[in-house]
Amino acid sequence: QKEVEQDPGPLSVPEGAIVSLNCTYSNSAFQYFMWYRQYSRKGPELLMYTYSSGNKEDGRFTAQVDKSSKYISLFIRDSQPSDSATYLCAMSAAGANSKLTFGKGITLSVRP
Amino acid sequence: DTAVSQTPKYLVTQMGNDKSIKCEQNLGHDTMYWYKQDSKKFLKIMFSYNNKELIINETVPNRFSPKSPDKAHLNLHINSLELGDSAVYFCASRTGIDTGELFFGEGSRLTVL
Repeated sequence: QKEVEQDPGPLSVPEGAIVSLNCTYSNSAFQYFMWYRQYSRKGPELLMYTYSSGNKEDGRFTAQVDKSSKYISLFIRDSQPSDSATYLCAMSAAGANSKLTFGKGITLSVRP
Repeated sequence: DTAVSQTPKYLVTQMGNDKSIKCEQNLGHDTMYWYKQDSKKFLKIMFSYNNKELIINETVPNRFSPKSPDKAHLNLHINSLELGDSAVYFCASRTGIDTGELFFGEGSRLTVL
């Protein structure tokens, strides 16, 4: 089993839809959970950053972490064409030499 | 003012050649990384340096050799290029070994013919 699994997609939704992106993981040492957004021909950029379990909201974006189920989600409300990008979940354990492990990414297309 | 800059952005080369990619960050970060992203968008760590010291070296062929002349620079040299090396290589930096946001460069797209 891979350390981080992410639905491969692609995903296509109409403008205004609610989007749910998910990742599961197997390493119980993971403490930091992130979502990165990557536009075509660009580097990934941090979208949401969560420590341990719980929810975090930022505008139209909500990140959820359920450590008991080893499951994280990103919700996008009122999706816009400008949200069209690849979304990568990433996570790491605490401590020196911890590395960020990424999911495979899902490409989202929001149709006008 | 670009935070993490990589050069060149595109490389097209023949199998067997040697090539280098340079990376510089102006964020004052201590830790820098090289990631490889394949055609399916999977992002995999290759190396990590903290204050010029190698701290992470994933299972990467010896043909890949990173060099960090100072903590603001991390270069990647690849010898005897193979077809499977074709990918986008991303440089990234972070405040510390296990803290803070990872900032990525725009990537260097390598095509080996």
